[in-house]
Amino acid sequence: DQQVKQNSPSLSVQEGRISILNCDYTNSMFDYFLWYKKYPAEGPTFLISISSIKDKNEDGRFTVFLNKSAKHLSLHIVPSQPGDSAVYFCAASNQAGTALIFGKGTTLSVSS
Amino acid sequence: DTEVTQTPKHLVMGMTNKKSLKCEQHMGHRAMYWYKQKAKKPPELMFVYSYEKLSINESVPSRFSPECPNSSLLNLHLHALQPEDSALYLCASSQPRGLGDEQYFGPGTRLTVT
Repeated sequence: DQQVKQNSPSLSVQEGRISILNCDYTNSMFDYFLWYKKYPAEGPTFLISISSIKDKNEDGRFTVFLNKSAKHLSLHIVPSQPGDSAVYFCAASNQAGTALIFGKGTTLSVSS
Repeated sequence: DTEVTQTPKHLVMGMTNKKSLKCEQHMGHRAMYWYKQKAKKPPELMFVYSYEKLSINESVPSRFSPECPNSSLLNLHLHALQPEDSALYLCASSQPRGLGDEQYFGPGTRLTVT
């Protein structure tokens, strides 16, 4: 039973445009959400996070939006760059003590 | 310094071998993790150490044996593995304020069991 779902396995975007990656979750106990980026043969790299008390968090080109009522979050990358091409994982946790639960990932391809 | 290092990068071992994976961090993190990642799948949690004590074991077979000698080091001892154990093994660490948030991952060890 997948608690964190990334329903789009892949996304292709042109350089300079916006990339929007989506993530849904089912466990209402999750209260902290993270996005990781992963290149082949490397470990995941932390990108940005958001607590459930917020609905938006911004860091440079990356913005994460959280809609708790819909149990949905999204990562916006503006403007997209070819170096952003990677697999993006959404992850969630319950700060009461469970570890990260990852989605299956979305492969982003940014073409120049 | 937000680096987690792992050695070796690649490991090929037979089913009767004994080997160890090593992980090190110097960020003062007191929670350390082992994850297993198969191709085209998300990382799956194996073990969590909190303040050098094993706090979570996700029903991992006993052929995998974790060890946390001190707050900076985490080992994973391997013995009598099966070919299906071939995967990328990832180590991560996080601040002690709570498990799960902002884990920093190492580059992983690519393990092949023959």
